[in-house]
Amino acid sequence: EVQLVETGGGLIQPGGSLRLSCAASGFTVSSNYMSWVRQAPGKGLEWVSVIYSGGSTYYADSVKGRFTISRDNSKNTLYLQMNSLRAEDTAVYYCARVARFGEQPSYYFDYWGQGTLVTVSS
Amino acid sequence: EIVLTQSPATLSLSPGERATLSCRASQSVSSYLAWYQQKPGQAPRLLIYDASNRATGIPARFSGSGSGTDFTLTISSLEPEDFAVYYCQQRSNWQYTFGQGTKLEIK
Repeated sequence: EVQLVETGGGLIQPGGSLRLSCAASGFTVSSNYMSWVRQAPGKGLEWVSVIYSGGSTYYADSVKGRFTISRDNSKNTLYLQMNSLRAEDTAVYYCARVARFGEQPSYYFDYWGQGTLVTVSS
Repeated sequence: EIVLTQSPATLSLSPGERATLSCRASQSVSSYLAWYQQKPGQAPRLLIYDASNRATGIPARFSGSGSGTDFTLTISSLEPEDFAVYYCQQRSNWQYTFGQGTKLEIK
């Protein structure tokens, strides 16, 4: 059974740093495209970052230069290092797997974690 | 960046009625569009991918259509568990974007 479990959220002051983790089971993180998506309280979904199986990484303009996505293949875990945090980064952060329909990765997310809340406030 | 605009923002219907949700892209996304359902306190669930294909385990009352810039999610006969927020999503040039969502509420 595929499972994604995020940890690492909490209350952090503006300008601070936080690292989120997403432990995966039931599949291999390094063989899949993996992403982070966030949702501010009462708002819609916002894509944050993706890491491809080959290691390429991409970011939303709103986090570029401040956030870094990575993975630890030995732990089958995805990470999001968040630096220079701002109030507008307050959100529930979900990790999500990019679906495969056939051999190639698709453009969509088929499995999601339960999310971890990050609150940036003084 | 491709912008997805969903309408209406809120749709009020009764169980058993037909729901029609719209998603318009600022430029063509071909058929590379998905729909998700999100209930309060839960993660989104993939319903439809490639505009018209139902994801695994999704009931047949959910259907998607469209291509290019105009897409529709139809729920043929609403069940009580279908009242939720629905998002469309696309990927272009390694950037993924979501629509702002349509809230489907009980009338």
